[in-house]
Amino acid sequence: AQSVTQPDIHITVSEGASLELRCNYSYGATPYLFWYVQSPGQGLQLLLKYFSGDTLVQGIKGFEAEFKRSQSSFNLRKPSVHWSDAAEYFCAVVPPSQGAQKLVFGQGTRLTINP
Amino acid sequence: EAGVVQSPRYKIIEKKQPVAFWCNPISGHNTLYWYRQNLGQGPELLIRYENEEAVDDSQLPKDRFSAERLKGVDSTLKIQPAELGDSAVYLCASSLDGGLVYNEQFFGPGTRLTVL
Repeated sequence: AQSVTQPDIHITVSEGASLELRCNYSYGATPYLFWYVQSPGQGLQLLLKYFSGDTLVQGIKGFEAEFKRSQSSFNLRKPSVHWSDAAEYFCAVVPPSQGAQKLVFGQGTRLTINP
Repeated sequence: EAGVVQSPRYKIIEKKQPVAFWCNPISGHNTLYWYRQNLGQGPELLIRYENEEAVDDSQLPKDRFSAERLKGVDSTLKIQPAELGDSAVYLCASSLDGGLVYNEQFFGPGTRLTVL
C-alpha cells in the first residue's frame, strides 16, 4: 500500500546532541517530500521540502534533510538540538501524479530534549 | 501578517450534540483545507476548497460532517450529531492556489474537540 512511515514514535536526545528523524515512503515513483514541526498549541510549520535537484535540502531553524532514492527515505537532521526543538515532527508527501497540494502525513515523531 | 485563525480553540460536548468550527484563512489565500488529527497521528485531509468550490471532499464523512465556504473566504466545519470517535484536533490551513504543489500550506492552531 502507498504510505509514508515514521518508524520512531518518540525520541529523546540531550541538548546539544545531534538529531536524526527517519521517514520512509512507499510509492511507485518519488513523491514530493516535506517535513513539518508542531509545537504544543501551535499550528504545523513547514521546515523544508524537496521537489527535485540537490538531494540535501536546507530548511529553517538549522534543520536539513537528505533524500535517498535507493532507500526511499527523507531523513531530517540537526547537528545540535536546542531545548526549543522539543515538539512533534511530521514527514509528509504529495503522492506522485498529484499536481495539487494533497498532503499525506506520517504518524509523527515526538522529540523530547533532556537538559 | 495575521496567520490562519481558528475558533474556538477548545470545545467539549456530549455525544449526539452538534458542533461547529470556524476558520479564517490568510488574506488572499484562495485555497482552504480542513484536516482532522487524531491523538498520536498525523493530520488527514477532510476537504479542500478552491474559492467557494469544494474540489476534494472524498475523505469527508458526509453522513454527519458538512462544510461551507460561502464567500470564498472564511469557512465553517460542522458535525451533527457528534460521536465519541470524533474527538480529535481539527486543523484549518490555507494556501495560494492549492492546485500547485509548490505553494506552501499555512496551518492554524486547531480546535481540540472532546466528545463525552
